Amino acid sequence: KQEVTQIPAALSVPEGENLVLNCSFTDSAIYNLQWFRQDPGKGLTSLLLIQSSQREQTSGRLNASLDKSSGRSTLYIAASQPGDSATYLCAVLVLSAGNMLTFGGGTRLMVKP
Amino acid sequence: EAQVTQNPRYLITVTGKKLTVTCSQNMNHEYMSWYRQDPGLGLRQIYYSMNVEVTDKGDVPEGYKVSRKEKRNFPLILESPSPNQTSLYFCASSSGHGTGSYNSPLHFGNGTRLTVT
Repeated sequence: KQEVTQIPAALSVPEGENLVLNCSFTDSAIYNLQWFRQDPGKGLTSLLLIQSSQREQTSGRLNASLDKSSGRSTLYIAASQPGDSATYLCAVLVLSAGNMLTFGGGTRLMVKP
Repeated sequence: EAQVTQNPRYLITVTGKKLTVTCSQNMNHEYMSWYRQDPGLGLRQIYYSMNVEVTDKGDVPEGYKVSRKEKRNFPLILESPSPNQTSLYFCASSSGHGTGSYNSPLHFGNGTRLTVT
């Protein structure tokens, strides 16, 4: 069964710092991987989706990479801002496993002014 | 505004009293799904639907029912709620056709916090 792990569970950084969030998964036969942001009391917002054939995706200050063979993905946030404070979740899709999306536990990010 | 709307946002009920959480999307999306989020367990998929009249079980379907009679709506039904179904529930949708929907970003509703006493 697919397991998705995100380390660290929480992270606090000063404003302006570049940072990396990690996501690892046990079954490398994924169809795609998504990174989401969740604000308190809100639903999830999709940030980036990487297909299994892709190595990375970029959107503004965000860059997500995917290394299927090692079962890892990273989300790079450049020049962090207080508005980036949220919980970040990754999720992988394995079509052979009942087409289920499996989520990691998330990394709670706090960017201090 | 493109959105996924869930109702109610908060619900407190008693064991055994049937309830329905509604989910509606205005983006003409074919794919819709339900998740529950619990501390320490993360987000887990309950049911999903690839299109009208097509539904499939996710990771934790026990105790839940769904229906997809029209494209925009995907209600979650708890026939006889129990305290272990106390959770934060999310509905989500995405565009695309067939497996193509899997490569479209998921759009989430704002959640329904359910408490079963």
